[in-house]
Amino acid sequence: AQKVTQAQTEISVVEKEDVTLDCVYETRDTTYYLFWYKQPPSGELVFLIRRNSFDEQNEISGRYSWNFQKSTSSFNFTITASQVVDSAVYFCALTSYNNNDMRFGAGTRLTVKP
Amino acid sequence: EAGVTQSPTHLIKTRGQQATLRCSPISGHTSVYWYQQALGLGLQFLLWYDEGEERNRGNFPPRFSGRQFPNYSSELNVNALELEDSALYLCASTHRDSMRNEQFFGPGTRLTVL
Repeated sequence: AQKVTQAQTEISVVEKEDVTLDCVYETRDTTYYLFWYKQPPSGELVFLIRRNSFDEQNEISGRYSWNFQKSTSSFNFTITASQVVDSAVYFCALTSYNNNDMRFGAGTRLTVKP
Repeated sequence: EAGVTQSPTHLIKTRGQQATLRCSPISGHTSVYWYQQALGLGLQFLLWYDEGEERNRGNFPPRFSGRQFPNYSSELNVNALELEDSALYLCASTHRDSMRNEQFFGPGTRLTVL
């Protein structure tokens, strides 16, 4: 069975603070894909990143960075120097190569205060 | 390039009625996915259509059904509406040959059952 756990329900930070959103996953598949999506108040999910199970390189995109650790089944997301516009619900998701049933974590609501 | 579109934006129905939600995928995308985002339950996978056929189904009762048309657009039908069907329904699409399993989401239809 596949499962994604985002233990942090809500996080509140002050602008310019760094914040890390945790994601832990479970899967029996050897080939799988991990995603992060952002859901702003408008409701539309915005794709942020995809990582496949064979690529453990960490990735940085501007203020965003992702830390994929297969040994701990984690795919954490860090926002550096957070901004008010980063306020949203962030979802981590998992899908396997052979099954397009994407499993989402419960989401973490991030509030960045000015 | 136009993104995934969904209609209507909002839908209000009463218990026992039927609701029809529509989704148009990104041009060239052949797969459509439906998700339910109910309050407190996160994102739940509903249905996956590809090339006009239902490929996978989440853990929802049969009164949730849908179809995919030859132009790859899709309908989600919910019969005998219940109060707990009130949720945001998100549609996503993927292209078979693009980055594997990356789903692009529409803005959603907010269904309210009174």
